[in-house]
Amino acid sequence: TQLLEQSPQFLSIQEGENLTVYCNSSSVFSSLQWYRQEPGEGPVLLVTVVTGGEVKKLKRLTFQFGDARKDSSLHITAAQPGDTGLYLCAAWIGYSTLTFGKGTMLLVSP
Amino acid sequence: GAGVSQSPRYKVTKRGQDVALRCDPISGHVSLYWYRQALGQGPEFLTYFNYEAQQDKSGLPNDRFSAERPEGSISTLTIQRTEQRDSAMYRCASSLKTGRSSYEQYFGPGTRLTVT
Repeated sequence: TQLLEQSPQFLSIQEGENLTVYCNSSSVFSSLQWYRQEPGEGPVLLVTVVTGGEVKKLKRLTFQFGDARKDSSLHITAAQPGDTGLYLCAAWIGYSTLTFGKGTMLLVSP
Repeated sequence: GAGVSQSPRYKVTKRGQDVALRCDPISGHVSLYWYRQALGQGPEFLTYFNYEAQQDKSGLPNDRFSAERPEGSISTLTIQRTEQRDSAMYRCASSLKTGRSSYEQYFGPGTRLTVT
């Protein structure tokens, strides 16, 4: 059983479109992180959300942490080809173990 | 400054051979993590160190896998008697300190292991 369920698994869109990807769990987390991984590279941290209901914006990316701290979403406005990559959510299990979801592979075509 | 480096970047080995994968973390980072990542999926935790102490090895698949960080800096992940199912990308990450949201993990480029 996957602790963090991400959806959709794959998303192919045209440049300029908006999109939302989701990260869901039945567990409550003290915080949740989003990473982006480009082909051939390691994951890079985008944001950490800590408070239930929290919304964080990073340019065209908007991250939301659910009120119950069980789920999160990432919304991208006016997607660009440079947004292409694997988007991963991750949560701390215990004090020091970071567990990842399987990710959403995003392809943005010009 | 220099990021996390890993070597070799690619390793092809025959089934039954032992392999050693190296990770050189960012200088001054206390915590070091090893992950295994299947293509198109998220990293899977293997083990982690604070300084030279291995704090958690619960993610190591079996006793053929071991890791060490003897001087609290460079770490080696060793796989003995490799099997085809061990083929994967092995990633290392380091963070300034351990735990939770305060400390970002910086990932290395990974070692692609292929067992034939």
